[in-house]
Amino acid sequence: GAVVSQHPSRVICKSGTSVKIECRSLDFQATTMFWYRQFPKQSLMLMATSNEGSKATYEQGVEKDKFLINHASLTLSTLTVTSAHPEDSSFYICSARAQGFRDTEAFFGQGTRLTVV
Amino acid sequence: EDQVTQSPEALRLQEGESSSLNCSYTVSGLRGLFWYRQDPGKGPEFLFTLYSAGEEKEKERLKATLTKKESFLHITAPKPEDSATYLCAVGPTGNKLTFGGGTRVLVKP
Repeated sequence: GAVVSQHPSRVICKSGTSVKIECRSLDFQATTMFWYRQFPKQSLMLMATSNEGSKATYEQGVEKDKFLINHASLTLSTLTVTSAHPEDSSFYICSARAQGFRDTEAFFGQGTRLTVV
Repeated sequence: EDQVTQSPEALRLQEGESSSLNCSYTVSGLRGLFWYRQDPGKGPEFLFTLYSAGEEKEKERLKATLTKKESFLHITAPKPEDSATYLCAVGPTGNKLTFGGGTRVLVKP
């Protein structure tokens, strides 16, 4: 199967600092990676889509200067939450679409619980 | 715009009590319907992809079926370890999956 590894699983940071979350595809090359945000008892909300080597496409209402996405290689994408505030506290999940699988299938990381204090 | 509605929002079952979850969708052109399982504090775990009406897939106590307007996830003789949130998604349209709100399943021993 396709494995997506996300790190860290939990992070606590002080208000005003930046936090980086990594998403790696371990056994496949991911041409496209997605970043989602999930609030308690709610479904996944897509934040942005990134393709390797190009700028991310952000969903309406998502601040691209606050949520910096880098997809520098076919196996790694990063999400940096800049100048984090308590309202940024949430569960962030990455997803990757795999070359070699049916082009519609996507696999998810374990998620990162961000708490801003 | 693609839309996905899941029902019920929550489901309480006794161990061994079979039931079905519904996923209704509207999409301009279905390329795939996906079922995922999500445990608390974890990312979604891929279960099934269905591509065309009439298709069925099974995995242990789970069976997913697809029609032109909806999909069902049947849970046969569930066990407590089947407790989770089950997510349905369609797509991708414009490279994106559209998710439903999920069904929270609790199986009591």
